[in-house]
Amino acid sequence: EPEVTQTPSHQVTQMGQEVILRCVPISNHLYFYWYRQILGQKVEFLVSFYNNEISEKSEIFDDQFSVERPDGSNFTLKIRSTKLEDSAMYFCASMRDSNQPQHFGDGTRLSIL
Amino acid sequence: KNEVEQSPQNLTAQEGEFITINCSYSVGISALHWLQQHPGGGIVSLFMLSSGKKKHGRLIATINIQEKHSSLHITASHPRDSAVYICAVRGGFGNEKLTFGTGTRLTIIP
Repeated sequence: EPEVTQTPSHQVTQMGQEVILRCVPISNHLYFYWYRQILGQKVEFLVSFYNNEISEKSEIFDDQFSVERPDGSNFTLKIRSTKLEDSAMYFCASMRDSNQPQHFGDGTRLSIL
Repeated sequence: KNEVEQSPQNLTAQEGEFITINCSYSVGISALHWLQQHPGGGIVSLFMLSSGKKKHGRLIATINIQEKHSSLHITASHPRDSAVYICAVRGGFGNEKLTFGTGTRLTIIP
């Protein structure tokens, strides 16, 4: 069965550095999402992406965050200048259409030192 | 903004017991997901439903749209069912993002 794949599985970065989290959604999916889960808390929505543009973003998704689908297969989340509070598990998800469920990757654990 | 509440937060049961996890939400939705999160952190979608009932193996999910309530049942529970079960709801067309509950940590003792 097709899967959403995320790399790396764990990223350790110094505060203030840029980080790029990568996702390969399922190939015929059209809707893409990033979520995050701070340790011990619930999963939170960051951003949704459809038709090559952001369709919705949360208040967490400020100017330090950006998303790209550079080549029709990868979907990336960039954090420009990381802060300690960006430490979390980041999940990518994709969906074929609104009648289908979202499929999640295994997540990238981001640790900011 | 939809508020999603789950109960119980933690549940420990003996192998073979019938398990029920509840989810309620505050605003009308287009669909509700039940998700499973294992200790490694990965999330697996179990069900997406917008009405009635769905069954997959030993798992059953029901939803009552009028009461804004859903339940996840596990029959003949097994230690491998131990995980965090998360309810997440989706808004209407054009608002497909998921709003998550806090999860129910289920532990099944052999």
